Amino acid sequence: DVKVTQSSRYLVKRTGEKVFLECVQDMDHENMFWYRQDPGLGLRLIYFSYDVKMKEKGDIPEGYSVSREKKERFSLILESASTNQTSMYLCASSLLQLDSNQPQHFGDGTRLSIL
Amino acid sequence: QKEVEQDPGPLSVPEGAIVSLNCTYSNSAFQYFMWYRQYSRKGPELLMYTYSSGNKEDGRFTAQVDKSSKYISLFIRDSQPSDSATYLCAIPSGGTSYGKLTFGQGTILTVHP
Repeated sequence: DVKVTQSSRYLVKRTGEKVFLECVQDMDHENMFWYRQDPGLGLRLIYFSYDVKMKEKGDIPEGYSVSREKKERFSLILESASTNQTSMYLCASSLLQLDSNQPQHFGDGTRLSIL
Repeated sequence: QKEVEQDPGPLSVPEGAIVSLNCTYSNSAFQYFMWYRQYSRKGPELLMYTYSSGNKEDGRFTAQVDKSSKYISLFIRDSQPSDSATYLCAIPSGGTSYGKLTFGQGTILTVHP
């Protein structure tokens, strides 16, 4: 089974701090994704990566950056945390296959509170 | 207009009921359709995956696609309390490259004994 592991289930940080969220997958997937999930808004894509050192902006990249130095690891960085970034953050991975759409496999999320 | 729209509910049904969950989408070029289930405090997990039109059945679950109406449905027969979760429809939105998905808002379902 694919396993996507997010380093923290719950995290509390202060406004202005630099925050790192880590995600590791064990299935050699090329694609990795970061979403945030808010009530009434569903899942919104922040950034994704289809290869090491490659990254693409999603729908809501403002205030975030990402890093992918190794294939299995994808980090989300909040450069200067603000209260409106309090949310559930979900990481996902999928296989890159150009002739079909592969499902994404999710971690269990990090619930981040910014005080 | 959003690419994918889903009624967030919440939906509350008695055990044994037939549940119908629905999404509409805007781009007629979409051909793959997915349903994810998300239990409380867990990440979404793939439930069903269909291609093009028609029905796909898996146990008590049936996924249906009506491309003429741009409407997708998930039916749950003989619903159980263990089916209580948030159900999200998802559609690949970036072509076949990179595996991008656009999700509906999710419908919160509660099945009470």
